[in-house]
Amino acid sequence: DAKTTQPPSMDCAEGRAANLPCNHSTISGNEYVYWYRQIHSQGPQYIIHGLKNNETNEMASLIITEDRKSSTLILPHATLRDTAVYYCIVTSPSGNTGKLIFGQGTTLQVKP
Amino acid sequence: SQTIHQWPATLVQPVGSPLSLECTVEGTSNPNLYWYRQAAGRGLQLLFYSVGIGQISSEVPQNLSASRPQDRQFILSSKKLLLSDSGFYLCAWSVLTGGLPQYFGPGTRLLVL
Repeated sequence: DAKTTQPPSMDCAEGRAANLPCNHSTISGNEYVYWYRQIHSQGPQYIIHGLKNNETNEMASLIITEDRKSSTLILPHATLRDTAVYYCIVTSPSGNTGKLIFGQGTTLQVKP
Repeated sequence: SQTIHQWPATLVQPVGSPLSLECTVEGTSNPNLYWYRQAAGRGLQLLFYSVGIGQISSEVPQNLSASRPQDRQFILSSKKLLLSDSGFYLCAWSVLTGGLPQYFGPGTRLLVL
């Protein structure tokens, strides 16, 4: 079972910031938070990951609360192409094979 | 840069027929390779992973098998397809110690009739 809880769906206006929440209250000390997204009929796309510090890359920002029990993925200026299912995954790199357990994710609909 | 290929993109097969899906990675050496399946309306499920040539680990008992004949080639097979084998099959790779993050291919959509 997934270790995260995400809202099933969200809407966002084009050009506005999309803030996608994720609860992971049982996260352990060596587990990271990973975010992927899956655009319809495509393979999942890696977005960003973090351990305890906030992270930013060219796609998004990841804000992790100090107690690490929740996080928010921020798409600063959402476009129609950002419409996708967003998955928040908590896992740890382990040996050679970190395992990704995908839940149901959040379906983000970006509207014009 | 690294690229991952999967083919075919779409496949329609009758029940009881064999299956062979291929995945290849370019631009990296000795990757970890993974096969996932996504049933309609459901999340992704890890089926197999491989840390090297000839090394295959199975995550769930099933009608499928995997092989890794070359460093950057991963094959998913079945001798006799079942209706329940229908789904979206995704190959992924990783190179960092710990196997994360993983990067996914475009997928193969399989329909068993």
